Amino acid sequence: EPEVTQTPSHQVTQMGQEVILRCVPISNHLYFYWYRQILGQKVEFLVSFYNNEISEKSEIFDDQFSVERPDGSNFTLKIRSTKLEDSAMYFCASSDAARNTEAFFGQGTRLTVV
Amino acid sequence: AQSVTQLDSQVPVFEEAPVELRCNYSSSVSVYLFWYVQYPNQGLQLLLKYLSGSTLVKGINGFEAEFNKSQTSFHLRKPSVHISDTAEYFCAVSDIRDDKIIFGKGTRLHILP
Repeated sequence: EPEVTQTPSHQVTQMGQEVILRCVPISNHLYFYWYRQILGQKVEFLVSFYNNEISEKSEIFDDQFSVERPDGSNFTLKIRSTKLEDSAMYFCASSDAARNTEAFFGQGTRLTVV
Repeated sequence: AQSVTQLDSQVPVFEEAPVELRCNYSSSVSVYLFWYVQYPNQGLQLLLKYLSGSTLVKGINGFEAEFNKSQTSFHLRKPSVHISDTAEYFCAVSDIRDDKIIFGKGTRLHILP
């Protein structure tokens, strides 16, 4: 069964460093998303991406964040200068239909900023 | 803007007993509704979804949910739980015009032997 894959599963980084979280969406999907889940809290929407551009972003997704689809298979989330409060589980998701009729989620990358 | 309320943060249930996990949503427009499950140390897996049509939706692992528009609810049920159902369950809503899914805070289901 096709699935969304994320690497690495766990990333530890020092405060102020840049990190890139990687995702390989399901191959025929056109809509891509990043969500995050701070420990013990709800899953929060960060950004959606379609047709090589951001279609929607939340207040969390400030100038420190960026997304890119550098080739036909990868979808990346970059955090330019990490802060302690960026520590969270980051989930990538993809969908083949418009408007989130079904988003498939990856296993997540646990980011720990120290 | 949409919101999702899961009133129960934890629900303990004896094995083979029935369970209902409650979810209420608010939205001024038509919505899609979802239940996701997160097993320990794993990602989010779709249990079931309501897009349109029949208000009773059947999902994987014996779960079902009923969309009640007048009560703005989408409660999740299973007639007989198993120890393997131990997980966190998230109700979620999406505006049909929107890209994002809004998640509830989750309900942790504890299965007691």
